[in-house]
Amino acid sequence: QKEVEQNSGPLSVPEGAIASLNCTYSDRGSQSFFWYRQYSGKSPELIMSIYSNGDKEDGRFTAQLNKASQYVSLLIRDSQPSDSATYLCASTGNQFYFGTGTSLTVIP
Amino acid sequence: SAVISQKPSRDICQRGTSLTIQCQVDSQVTMMFWYRQQPGQSLTLIATANQGSEATYESGFVIDKFPISRPNLTFSTLTVSNMSPEDSSIYLCSVEGTATSSYNEQFFGPGTRLTVL
Repeated sequence: QKEVEQNSGPLSVPEGAIASLNCTYSDRGSQSFFWYRQYSGKSPELIMSIYSNGDKEDGRFTAQLNKASQYVSLLIRDSQPSDSATYLCASTGNQFYFGTGTSLTVIP
Repeated sequence: SAVISQKPSRDICQRGTSLTIQCQVDSQVTMMFWYRQQPGQSLTLIATANQGSEATYESGFVIDKFPISRPNLTFSTLTVSNMSPEDSSIYLCSVEGTATSSYNEQFFGPGTRLTVL
């Protein structure tokens, strides 16, 4: 079992819709969780960090954490074509673990 | 977050040669890491670069193939030795523990795209 699992997609949403990206983790000792955005040919860029159960909002992005279910999600509201990228989920406890990423395409 | 630079940004190398990749941070950081990312794949951690001591390598990676240096808190190098086409990949430096970061956030350099012929 991988430490962090994501649906690889691809996920396609129309412009203006809500994109929902999901991630599960296996280590109950994980303390911190992160979402990275990676454009093709570029390095990963940290877009959200979340440490406590519940929701954390930053602009059009909302991260949700449910430690009981070992589940992390990222919602992107009013999706734009510029949001088209691969989104990597990561967790850290004793070690930093990355998921394999979900490819998102926002269709104009 | 810290500003991280890598040199070179890309290179094309011949089989059997070695390439040293540099990672420079504009501020002191606690941790520095080296990752590899094959095309279309996720990130694979090669090693943690420890300041003043030998790097800590992940399973499948050895010091003879990937020697790493970290002479201070802002700089590290990764050498890819005796290269083969299978080493063609993007190599990424990341840092953790900047002055403005919290909770083990990692930030990535722009990467080095290596092609081995």
